[in-house]
Amino acid sequence: DIQMTQSPSTLSASVGDRVTITCRASQSASSWLAWYQQKPGKAPKLLIYKASSLESGVPSRFSGSGSGTEFTLTISSLQPDDFATYYCQQYNSYPWTFGQGTKVEIK
Amino acid sequence: EVQLLESGGGLVQPGGSLRLSCAASGFSFSNYGMSWVRQAPGKGLEWVSGISGGGGTTYYADSVKGRFTFSRDNSKNTLYLQMNSLRAEDTAVYYCAKEKYQSETSGYNYWGQGTLVTVSS
Repeated sequence: DIQMTQSPSTLSASVGDRVTITCRASQSASSWLAWYQQKPGKAPKLLIYKASSLESGVPSRFSGSGSGTEFTLTISSLQPDDFATYYCQQYNSYPWTFGQGTKVEIK
Repeated sequence: EVQLLESGGGLVQPGGSLRLSCAASGFSFSNYGMSWVRQAPGKGLEWVSGISGGGGTTYYADSVKGRFTFSRDNSKNTLYLQMNSLRAEDTAVYYCAKEKYQSETSGYNYWGQGTLVTVSS
């Protein structure tokens, strides 16, 4: 199974900050990686698929990069609506696996 | 408009069984792979199981293999997750989720609202 490890687990940031979250795979996931945003009590929302493709309707301040075993999600200028938990997910091979999540908190 | 509506959650004793359903609408259901993803209280997301559009291929997480069965009825646009031999660690909100593309896996672009399963005596 491919294990996904996100860092950091928690991130404190201010509105306007540039934020980067890293996701590392225990073996290559090629570019088959997605990023989701989840707010309390809500279902996850797809932000990025195929490592760097922006989902329709998602603000352009979100971007994804990477391939193989290292991936990043970047928020170029953090907005109040972005305080949430973010998860990566590999779908290169079954069982598909999620990272443990990164909570972005208000500093 | 795409809609996914889970049902069937509730309180069940350890060792018991439960069947979850997910009613889908607003898209060509039989053309899309679907999955169940769960989230234990206060914890992260865990992929549980996936099924192909035709229903002929299923995949399971090791944690549920042999206990859970994922199926679909394309004539009713409905997914089913039969959960047997339930354990306390199966307690979670269970989401059904739709894959973004028909022909290429690219994450889940639609999710249901979730149904809570509580395994406790």
